[in-house]
Amino acid sequence: DAGVTQSPTHLIKTRGQHVTLRCSPISGHKSVSWYQQVLGQGPQFIFQYYEKEERGRGNFPDRFSARQFPNYSSELNVNALLLGDSALYLCASSLSGTYYNSPLHFGNGTRLTVT
Amino acid sequence: TQLLEQSPQFLSIQEGENLTVYCNSSSVFSSLQWYRQEPGEGPVLLVTVVTGGEVKKLKRLTFQFGDARKDSSLHITAAQPGDTGLYLCAGHSPLNSGYALNFGKGTSLLVTP
Repeated sequence: DAGVTQSPTHLIKTRGQHVTLRCSPISGHKSVSWYQQVLGQGPQFIFQYYEKEERGRGNFPDRFSARQFPNYSSELNVNALLLGDSALYLCASSLSGTYYNSPLHFGNGTRLTVT
Repeated sequence: TQLLEQSPQFLSIQEGENLTVYCNSSSVFSSLQWYRQEPGEGPVLLVTVVTGGEVKKLKRLTFQFGDARKDSSLHITAAQPGDTGLYLCAGHSPLNSGYALNFGKGTSLLVTP
């Protein structure tokens, strides 16, 4: 079975531009979460979606937005890119929106570089 | 936000040596998870510890959850080059109707032949 797939794998953008990152969860998984991992740090929570509804949002500015589609895939959008947005963006899927007996499965991420 | 501190930050050892890495917090967690992340890949879940004092073994890896559920350790016996990677601990933080994982900064382990 395919794991969590993310696209693109790498992306280079200029300050002020907009970016869209995409994620396809494991088949049957209804929850998608997004994390940002800056070099040398652990992943930091951005969003969780379950059944197309936002279940939680981390401490990120409104420039960050996301949505989940009827097929449970998801997009993360970042507007007005800053140099500090350069990071590995990880998508994770899980069976349900609750923690118990529903571990996260991470994709390999999208490496975003903002110049 | 419940902070998780991991130590050491970096560890370089020879194949065959034993090592222990630590994950500490001032907050109580209902559970803690350990992940390993290799370069260019996403984190992969190794184990979830739930009960205070719990010990779980995964081949040469031994995970322990502190009695007070504020800390955890990972012990690797006879390390191999394939153990090289970033070891992350994470605690579950409930949200209004979902949850987030709070990760530590990780311990970067290098095992040389």
